[in-house]
Amino acid sequence: QKEVEQDPGPLSVPEGAIVSLNCTYSNSAFQYFMWYRQYSRKGPELLMYTYSSGNKEDGRFTAQVDKSSKYISLFIRDSQPSDSATYLCAMSGNRDDKIIFGKGTRLHILP
Amino acid sequence: DSGVTQTPKHLITATGQRVTLRCSPRSGDLSVYWYQQSLDQGLQFLIQYYNGEERAKGNILERFSAQQFPDLHSELNLSSLELGDSALYFCASSGGTGYQPQHFGDGTRLSIL
Repeated sequence: QKEVEQDPGPLSVPEGAIVSLNCTYSNSAFQYFMWYRQYSRKGPELLMYTYSSGNKEDGRFTAQVDKSSKYISLFIRDSQPSDSATYLCAMSGNRDDKIIFGKGTRLHILP
Repeated sequence: DSGVTQTPKHLITATGQRVTLRCSPRSGDLSVYWYQQSLDQGLQFLIQYYNGEERAKGNILERFSAQQFPDLHSELNLSSLELGDSALYFCASSGGTGYQPQHFGDGTRLSIL
């Protein structure tokens, strides 16, 4: 079993829809959870990070962590064509641990 | 713009050769991380330096080495290159105390012919 599992997609949704992106993980020691967005030919850009369980909201983005289920989600409200990118989940055990990335989900927002 | 600068953007070389990739972290960041991204393996952690000292090692091959200089920039050296080393190489940086998320540069695309 891989440490972090993420559906590669592609996921295509119409503009304005709510997008749900998810990852599962196996290591119960993970405490920091991150979502990165990566456009083609660019580096990953940090969108959100959370510590332990719970929700965090930033504009149109909401991150959720359910440690009991080892499941994290990123919701994008009112999706825009500019949201089309690859979304990578990432997690680590503590500040000094290496970050383990999912392989990313390709998202296409259709105008 | 993340503030992390990587050069060159693209490198084309042949098998058996050696290359050096360079990274300048964000101003004030003490940690530098190197990652390799390929289509089949995703983003893989290679190595971390903190204020000039090696801090953590990931899946880095013995043919690869890195260092961080007193001005905090870092170099990743790849030698005896093989076709399978073709990938995107990213550098990320983060700050010092407390949890600090990593910020990535735009990478160096390495093509081995």
